[in-house]
Amino acid sequence: RKEVEQDPGPFNVPEGATVAFNCTYSNSASQSFFWYRQDCRKEPKLLMSVYSSGNEDGRFTAQLNRASQYISLLIRDSKLSDSATYLCVVHSGNTPLVFGKGTRLSVIA
Amino acid sequence: GAVVSQHPSRVICKSGTSVKIECRSLDFQATTMFWYRQFPKQSLMLMATSNEGSKATYEQGVEKDKFLINHASLTLSTLTVTSAHPEDSSFYICSAQSGGWEETQYFGPGTRLLVL
Repeated sequence: RKEVEQDPGPFNVPEGATVAFNCTYSNSASQSFFWYRQDCRKEPKLLMSVYSSGNEDGRFTAQLNRASQYISLLIRDSKLSDSATYLCVVHSGNTPLVFGKGTRLSVIA
Repeated sequence: GAVVSQHPSRVICKSGTSVKIECRSLDFQATTMFWYRQFPKQSLMLMATSNEGSKATYEQGVEKDKFLINHASLTLSTLTVTSAHPEDSSFYICSAQSGGWEETQYFGPGTRLLVL
């Protein structure tokens, strides 16, 4: 089983739609969780950290379910500029970040 | 946020040549730098972790004699792809961290390598 698994997509949604991505992780000792955004041919950029209580940043909401070992990202009112690949990233103590393969989102006008 | 630069941003070379990629932290001291490789439609794969002044720690399956890493100062790490082959063509990204594992990693813009 891969350490971090994501549905690769692509998710093709119209502008204004709500879209949700899920990610599962295998290491139950994982401590920190993140969503990164990566545009085509660019480096990943931190979108938001994910906290146990869930957290929201504008149109983006992240949730963590430790019992089921999954993380979600919800994007409301999708914009064209949201088109990108969204990477689920997990961190366990004194080890490097582990990246999922990413979920590709395409927001269509 | 912190800034990490990479140079060159793109390089095309002939098979058998060596290519050096630089990663610099511009406004902070990076005690740890990471080198990743990303093939098309794949996830970032960590190649090695380097700490200033010590030997890099390579991930399983990464040849240390082929991918030479030097972290000579707190602001500069270099990755040299020796005797490059077409299968080494990839997107190489570095990241830098100022403290322990809990600190944020800042990514460089990446270097696209094409080996002909």
